[in-house]
Amino acid sequence: SQQGEEDPQALSIQEGENATMNCSYKTSINNLQWYRQNSGRGLVHLILIRSNEREKHSGRLRVTLDTSKKSSSLLITASRAADTASYFCATEDNFNKFYFGSGTKLNVKP
Amino acid sequence: ETGVTQTPRHLVMGMTNKKSLKCEQHLGHNAMYWYKQSAKKPLELMFVYNFKEQTENNSVPSRFSPECPNSSHLFLHLHTLQPEDSALYLCASRAGTPNTGELFFGEGSRLTVL
Repeated sequence: SQQGEEDPQALSIQEGENATMNCSYKTSINNLQWYRQNSGRGLVHLILIRSNEREKHSGRLRVTLDTSKKSSSLLITASRAADTASYFCATEDNFNKFYFGSGTKLNVKP
Repeated sequence: ETGVTQTPRHLVMGMTNKKSLKCEQHLGHNAMYWYKQSAKKPLELMFVYNFKEQTENNSVPSRFSPECPNSSHLFLHLHTLQPEDSALYLCASRAGTPNTGELFFGEGSRLTVL
């Protein structure tokens, strides 16, 4: 399977703390993307990192990619209660197909 | 608001019913997708359409029948479903060229099969 696998499955932190989520995948990729999903809603794209990039920032988000280890991490700094959601990584192959993992469920306590 | 609209948002059907899910996007995208999301499982890619042509059928049972009449509309026709088909069905779209950006998702259709 090409699916990404997120770790941990669930994460509970206090507001203001940083949250780190990890993703591992199995095959070569063109890019890796992170998405967020509020309960019962659709997924929303957060950030994309290409296979030739090692790190990318967007606001309070920092993504790293290590293609030699086939892994990525998503760091959310200074978390807020509104960051409570599920976070998914997705890999894209050469044929317009995206593969997702089971997600990390983040709970940020006020 | 992502520009991808799914209807209905909720659907309850019996195993002998026939119903359809609809997805619509006016983002100018050429690739459209159906995903199935069940509790505690990865999102399952079901179908991919690129420029109205089906390019992926991920071993989906024939009781799910997709239709893509044009690049803006995607349907999922449902018939004689099973209770295990109960899930959130997500539609997504993107520009048709690989590696050109992200997926835009609709809010999903929550299906319950009794």
